[in-house]
Amino acid sequence: GQNIDQPTEMTATEGAIVQINCTYQTSGFNGLFWYQQHAGEAPTFLSYNVLDGLEEKGRFSSFLSRSKGYSYLLLKELQMKDSASYLCAVIDSNYQLIWGAGTKLIIKP
Amino acid sequence: ETGVTQTPRHLVMGMTNKKSLKCEQHLGHNAMYWYKQSAKKPLELMFVYNFKEQTENNSVPSRFSPECPNSSHLFLHLHTLQPEDSALYLCASSQDYGQNNEQFFGPGTRLTVL
Repeated sequence: GQNIDQPTEMTATEGAIVQINCTYQTSGFNGLFWYQQHAGEAPTFLSYNVLDGLEEKGRFSSFLSRSKGYSYLLLKELQMKDSASYLCAVIDSNYQLIWGAGTKLIIKP
Repeated sequence: ETGVTQTPRHLVMGMTNKKSLKCEQHLGHNAMYWYKQSAKKPLELMFVYNFKEQTENNSVPSRFSPECPNSSHLFLHLHTLQPEDSALYLCASSQDYGQNNEQFFGPGTRLTVL
């Protein structure tokens, strides 16, 4: 079967750095998305990785290792507004989007 | 504002009611999706429409009936639902289906079935 694993919940301190991991086992791979979802709101796109390596976008970076079936989302200089759920999703060989259950990130002052 | 709107935002219905969820996208996309989101579970893809034609129906019970009159509008008709159908229903769109296109989501309809 196809599976995406990410931690259920994480806690971090304002101003710090946090890394949210995502591991996947899918039938093929055509890319990986990270989305952010604030409570009661729509998921919004953060990043897309299809090649190995690090993609940096402001305070957020996303890393991919296809050989390890692994990605992480790195959030720097955490702000209270970063409290949200972070969803990892993989595009399989049929271009189906396989979703993880999301990681709820709690930021404390 | 993602360019995808959904109404209503909240809906409470009994098991014998009939109601409809509406989704509209203003992005000129060709593909539209219905997802079910339950607490601590992955997003469940329910239906996909590409150029108004249904391309995916992931074993969804017949009490959920989608309708796509044009590429900008998508409905989900509900009847004789069960309490376990209570969830957040998300609509999304993407430029095309079957590609690595980013999906844009609406804010969702929070459905409670009594």
